[in-house]
Amino acid sequence: EDQVTQSPEALRLQEGESSSLNCSYTVSGLRGLFWYRQDPGKGPEFLFTLYSAGEEKEKERLKATLTKKESFLHITAPKPEDSATYLCAGQGSQGGSEKLVFGKGTKLTVNP
Amino acid sequence: DTGVSQNPRHKITKRGQNVTFRCDPISEHNRLYWYRQTLGQGPEFLTYFQNEAQLEKSRLLSDRFSAERPKGSFSTLEIQRTEQGDSAMYLCASSLVVLTGRIDEQYFGPGTRLTVT
Repeated sequence: EDQVTQSPEALRLQEGESSSLNCSYTVSGLRGLFWYRQDPGKGPEFLFTLYSAGEEKEKERLKATLTKKESFLHITAPKPEDSATYLCAGQGSQGGSEKLVFGKGTKLTVNP
Repeated sequence: DTGVSQNPRHKITKRGQNVTFRCDPISEHNRLYWYRQTLGQGPEFLTYFQNEAQLEKSRLLSDRFSAERPKGSFSTLEIQRTEQGDSAMYLCASSLVVLTGRIDEQYFGPGTRLTVT
């Protein structure tokens, strides 16, 4: 069964303190690895799609990378407005399923 | 705003009652997904439609749950005889897929929070 595991569960940073979030996956026939941001009480907001190992994508202070077993979301010089839960999800090809399999998320808090 | 919309945003109901949620996807999107999210967990897939056809259902979708997308536009999710374990955020997402098997980026709505008392 496809599985996505995120670590750490929670991360507290000072403003400007760079760090990385980890997403380990076992998804059969991975077609895409997705990152979302979710604010409290709201739906997930799409950030990135990564398709193959070695791929990188950037948006403002965020950079997502992908290997054959993991994805990382690097946050450079974070600001308090980056505080949110970051979700990772995989889309595989087993059985023709189109569903996204999500991890539990990493709750990021950035203190001023 | 041309994003995914969901109504109602909040619903409180008593155990045993039926509830229905509505989702309006991004207008040109042909796929519509339903997910459920409980506190501290990531969203869990329930079902999805391509146009009006329901193509996949999760084992989580018991016979008390039914979803429709009658004209390939908006969708409804009904829960019959609600139980306290149904309390969760119900999320709708939509995407545009041109070719089967290609990656689709799913865009989520704000969710409907259901509380069963």
